[in-house]
Amino acid sequence: ETGVTQTPRHLVMGMTNKKSLKCEQHLGHNAMYWYKQSAKKPLELMFVYSLEERVENNSVPSRFSPECPNSSHLFLHLHTLQPEDSALYLCASSLRRGGVADTQYFGPGTRLTVL
Amino acid sequence: GDSVTQMEGPVTLSEEAFLTINCTYTATGYPSLFWYVQYPGEGLQLLLKATKADDKGSNKGFEATYRKETTSFHLEKGSVQVSDSAVYFCALIFWGEGAQKLVFGQGTRLTINP
Repeated sequence: ETGVTQTPRHLVMGMTNKKSLKCEQHLGHNAMYWYKQSAKKPLELMFVYSLEERVENNSVPSRFSPECPNSSHLFLHLHTLQPEDSALYLCASSLRRGGVADTQYFGPGTRLTVL
Repeated sequence: GDSVTQMEGPVTLSEEAFLTINCTYTATGYPSLFWYVQYPGEGLQLLLKATKADDKGSNKGFEATYRKETTSFHLEKGSVQVSDSAVYFCALIFWGEGAQKLVFGQGTRLTINP
């Protein structure tokens, strides 16, 4: 498979469940990102991993916990979510080359519904 | 901080009409600029980009020129098709704390009627 893939594509969970979103990139990139897309807000950057180290956590609640075990995989662990966390969660990756800002490539997203 | 402002949507046009979606930005330094497109039920796809002033990005009949003097990156297409119906996002990228950060506009929903 090529590009950036995300699983599952759709997820429905209760507020007491624990689930994980998975992202995999096949582009040889070394930086990965989680974004949240809600109906009425611009795309929000949640987390950034560069060379497998977290370099950004944009005041995201602790009920969202990212994990980047290697440069090709990124997870978002979810627990005790709220209905307002229902959104499309997008993963992206890019190549970090010194000071050059490179294009981010996005996965298709996971549509999350919290009941 | 750095930010992007897009024209409000939704925008509805007839097939073969001329399209302009305005985008202006505020940034320190010289960011790279992007247009992404999101088709129904899908993630974001890169449409075009420009990395320095006066660069023109183009793809699939769409064009946008990086205008430093007006801090703008307006998206244009001469003749739209029904298949262009989607949400379009203007974005800029800058470096912060060791990684690049992509800042998006709010998106403009475009509907093309046959």
